[in-house]
Amino acid sequence: GENVEQHPSTLSVQEGDSAVIKCTYSDSASNYFPWYKQELGKGPQLIIDIRSNVGEKKDQRIAVTLNKTAKHFSLHITETQPEDSAVYFCAASIGSYIPTFGRGTSLIVHP
Amino acid sequence: EAEVAQSPRYKITEKSQAVAFWCDPISGHATLYWYRQILGQGPELLVQFQDESVVDDSQLPKDRFSAERLKGVDSTLKIQPAELGDSAMYLCASSLAGGLAGGLVPYNEQFFGPGTRLTVL
Repeated sequence: GENVEQHPSTLSVQEGDSAVIKCTYSDSASNYFPWYKQELGKGPQLIIDIRSNVGEKKDQRIAVTLNKTAKHFSLHITETQPEDSAVYFCAASIGSYIPTFGRGTSLIVHP
Repeated sequence: EAEVAQSPRYKITEKSQAVAFWCDPISGHATLYWYRQILGQGPELLVQFQDESVVDDSQLPKDRFSAERLKGVDSTLKIQPAELGDSAMYLCASSLAGGLAGGLVPYNEQFFGPGTRLTVL
């Protein structure tokens, strides 16, 4: 089955800096890669996703890149703010099948 | 904006007691999922429903866990008896279609509820 590795497990940045979270996947058939943000005590919220037919997608301060050859994808957050502090999960799935989640990255943005 | 509803938000129980969690998916979402999330880890699927039918419950500990979605809308997850190791966040998610049954949409975009935090003492 699919295996998703996520790094780093913890990321600490100063407000205004950029943050990058990286994930790798094992199944070359995976074609859908969502990213979730989970704030303390809440369920994961979908913040951005990318499909295998594109290499990059951007939404305001967040962007995701996908390298199908290397089987890795990354989340980029620019101009970080304290409210970006949360746990971020990547996931990979094949079509409409159940996604496999990474173990999560705890992002801490210091004011 | 439509959301997945879950209750209760928090539950504290003693081991060997029974607990039940409720989930109401986004209206029109045929597929409903129950996940368990242990602190510091990603969600792990317990059971998936397509309408009222179970599609995948291979990871559900059936000796103590049960799940139902009788009318294909809301769902209940039950644990009886609860054990100390069951302490976790229980998440419900829904999507338009997905999983083993395939679907009307090509990508499994899931929407999660706020979760139920279970503590077993």
